[in-house]
Parts: sequence; structure tokens; C-alpha cells
Amino acid sequence: DVKVTQSSRYLVKRTGEKVFLECVQDMDHENMFWYRQDPGLGLRLIYFSYDVKMKEKGDIPEGYSVSREKKERFSLILESASTNQTSMYLCASSSPPLAGVVHNEQFFGPGTRLTVL
Amino acid sequence: KQEVTQIPAALSVPEGENLVLNCSFTDSAIYNLQWFRQDPGKGLTSLLLIQSSQREQTSGRLNASLDKSSGRSTLYIAASQPGDSATYLCAVRTSTNAGKSTFGDGTTLTVKP
Repeated sequence: DVKVTQSSRYLVKRTGEKVFLECVQDMDHENMFWYRQDPGLGLRLIYFSYDVKMKEKGDIPEGYSVSREKKERFSLILESASTNQTSMYLCASSSPPLAGVVHNEQFFGPGTRLTVL
Repeated sequence: KQEVTQIPAALSVPEGENLVLNCSFTDSAIYNLQWFRQDPGKGLTSLLLIQSSQREQTSGRLNASLDKSSGRSTLYIAASQPGDSATYLCAVRTSTNAGKSTFGDGTTLTVKP
């Protein structure tokens, strides 16, 4: 059974703290993604990575950085947490869109509900 | 830039009813379209994936169709049950945007016993 896991379901941090959110997938997927989900704003892409040590900015990268040292692990880093980063964070992985590859489903982790006080 | 719209935003139906959820997209050069289910406070669960060359996919009581020329996909749920209550999201992966998907805002479905 395919699986994407996230290090925490719930996290409470204080303003100014450095926060690490970890995501691990066991499907040998090249692509990994970090989204945040907020009421009324839907799912927004923060960063994604299409290979080890490769990363690309999504739609809202400000205030975040990422790390992909191993294929199965993709970390999201809040350098100095702020209250407007209180949100649900969702990690996902998928195989790349290659010709002849039938299944390119995107699989999601359970989410991390982060509250910044 | 791809835009994905889901209408209606919310839908309430009695148990047993057949229903259709809609997803529209502006750029027809898509690679695939994926339907997800999300329960409150949880992650997204993949329901169906339709490749751009396909017209429909079926899984149990769910049937998803794709019409690229009109920029539309529908998710048909047969004989709805209270356990189907959730938010349903569609996501479009475009050929020109390697690996990334654009999500709709979702339709929140309530099935009343």
C-alpha cells in the first residue's frame, strides 16, 4: 500500500521559531510537493521538487525554504514562523509525466495542522 | 495560466440520490485530471485519475468523465450514502507544467440519511 507520511499531525510553535515539517514517501517517486490549505483560498503550492537536491518555487514560496537530500524525504522549513503561516500543510508525491507511464497519480500525506502563536 | 473551477461550492442531497459534481478548466492542454476526496481535517485521498487520452474512469459507484475540448470533467456518484459526505476536489496537471497540478476549491457534499 502506497504511503506518504508527515512527521506531525498537529504542531504549535511561537512567532520567530524555526520550524521543520518532514515528509516521507515510500513509492520511489521523483516529484514531491508542499502545499498549504486555507479556508477560502484552497490548496496553494509552496515548493516542489522533481529530483534529489532540485527544487522549484510554487505560487507562494515567501517565508519558506525546502530541502531534498534523499529521494524519499522532502522537508519544508519556516525560517522564522509568523502567525500568518498558521495553516494546514499537505505533502504529496507523484511520478513525473512521462510518455508511456499510465499511472501518475498524486498521493497525499495526512497533513500537519500548524498553529503559530 | 490554468484555472480550475468547481461548481457548486456545496451540495446537500438525500441518501440514495445519484449526483454529479462539476470541474471546469481553462487550458485544454492537460496531461491528466485527478479527483480527490477530503474529510475534515484530513489529507486528500485519490479517487480517480483520467489520462488526457481517456474519456472516463470508473471505480465502484464513482464514474469520472473528461471532455478536453469543452474543458470539463464530471464526477458521478451513484446511490449516494452518508459516508460519501466530504469535500471533493479536482486537480489538473498540464503538459506544460511538469509535475505541477492546479486544484479547484472543491465541492462540499452532504448526504443526509
